[in-house]
Amino acid sequence: GESVGLHLPTLSVQEGDNSIINCAYSNSASDYFIWYKQESGKGPQFIIDIRSNMDKRQGQRVTVLLNKTVKHLSLQIAATQPGDSAVYFCAENQGGYGKLTFGQGTILTVHP
Amino acid sequence: ETGVTQTPRHLVMGMTNKKSLKCEQHLGHNAMYWYKQSAKKPLELMFVYSLEERVENNSVPSRFSPECPNSSHLFLHLHTLQPEDSALYLCASSPRKGLAGGDTQYFGPGTRLTVL
Repeated sequence: GESVGLHLPTLSVQEGDNSIINCAYSNSASDYFIWYKQESGKGPQFIIDIRSNMDKRQGQRVTVLLNKTVKHLSLQIAATQPGDSAVYFCAENQGGYGKLTFGQGTILTVHP
Repeated sequence: ETGVTQTPRHLVMGMTNKKSLKCEQHLGHNAMYWYKQSAKKPLELMFVYSLEERVENNSVPSRFSPECPNSSHLFLHLHTLQPEDSALYLCASSPRKGLAGGDTQYFGPGTRLTVL
């Protein structure tokens, strides 16, 4: 059959709204999680991280929530701005040498 | 933004060419990584070097050959590539101070490779 390209989930919001980007991770033994932001033409940029012994961590305008029971990670962006438009990736460390496994990414578009 | 640099930013090569990608990190990190990012797949880890020793090789074809001469520099040597190798090649580095987890990776801007 014909191969199909990866279709990323998309989230479209208005400037000033709060955004929530979700990620399901695969390994219940993963002990460390990171959110990255990737703008067009750039490499992934670190946003925030969280260890598995925590369920919430806050940064500047961003909050990461970890639900280990259902293996779910979310990134909340407060007062979203047009400059937040990018692809957002979650990554999990499944152990050993900082080996990260990345999710497929979510495209966030912020409309002025 | 200048913590991890990559050159060239764009590269077009034929299938018979030999070229090299270069990565340099200015963060004093101990580990460096090569990733492949293509439109059809999530970010794929290719190689990991820790203290200049290769510790991970994710079943990458031999037409990709990494080299890590010191903890600040990483190369990816390319030869006889295929059109499906066209992708964004990202370099990353991390402190890797003896921790199995919690080792944040910082990425360069990538090299956009096109194989004709």
